[in-house]
Amino acid sequence: QSVLTQPPSVSAAPGQKVTISCSGSSSNIGNNYVSWYQQFPATAPKLLIYDNDKRPSGIPDRFSGSKSGTSATLDITGLQSGDEADFYCGTWDSSLSSYVFASGTRVAVL
Amino acid sequence: EEQLVESGGALVQSGGSLRLSCAAFGFMFSKSGMYWVRQAPGKGLEWFSYISPGSGTMYYADSVKGRFTSSRDNAKNSLYLQMNSLRAEDTAVYYCARVRGATVYISYMDLWGKGTTVTVSS
Repeated sequence: QSVLTQPPSVSAAPGQKVTISCSGSSSNIGNNYVSWYQQFPATAPKLLIYDNDKRPSGIPDRFSGSKSGTSATLDITGLQSGDEADFYCGTWDSSLSSYVFASGTRVAVL
Repeated sequence: EEQLVESGGALVQSGGSLRLSCAAFGFMFSKSGMYWVRQAPGKGLEWFSYISPGSGTMYYADSVKGRFTSSRDNAKNSLYLQMNSLRAEDTAVYYCARVRGATVYISYMDLWGKGTTVTVSS
């Protein structure tokens, strides 16, 4: 049971937008930076968003992150079939002295 | 090219020990904190260890505390994970990842290895 909560799955048609929420508390999201990771089956995770809303070089601007209070959000616009993957939010938890991941959200393109 | 390469994964009996390695290439390993993250079959990502660039600070998840120990040899650009008293629930793909951010509170993982598989048989 993670201290961060994400929906198990989201889906939308190609070209549409999906939003993945990540809910936490003041000991994690509320006072620390959030990052997001994308993982395709049988491959290592890849950094998608860091410092709540920054994109590494090479990540399309279709992916955007935001944070408000104890929740964070990842938006994917212009959904493509190649976006089908698992997405994880993560952050440091000051009470646990641990980095924590949410359980992940599977994105499906209808 | 910046790269992390894990090795050492194997099939081991419950109660046994194993040592994983993570070799770093193409960047200043000695200046990077490192995380270990694992993923059990069909499950999500689980962070379990942090080691600072100079090994002065380490954190462990409760699930491995007292059984797993991270270490590093900056002269060899290598990170290690000594795993003792292994249990069936330690079965997973083990990843090492480079930590970015001035402190753990604003940290993120920008470079990951491909992982090495540990299977603990009961």
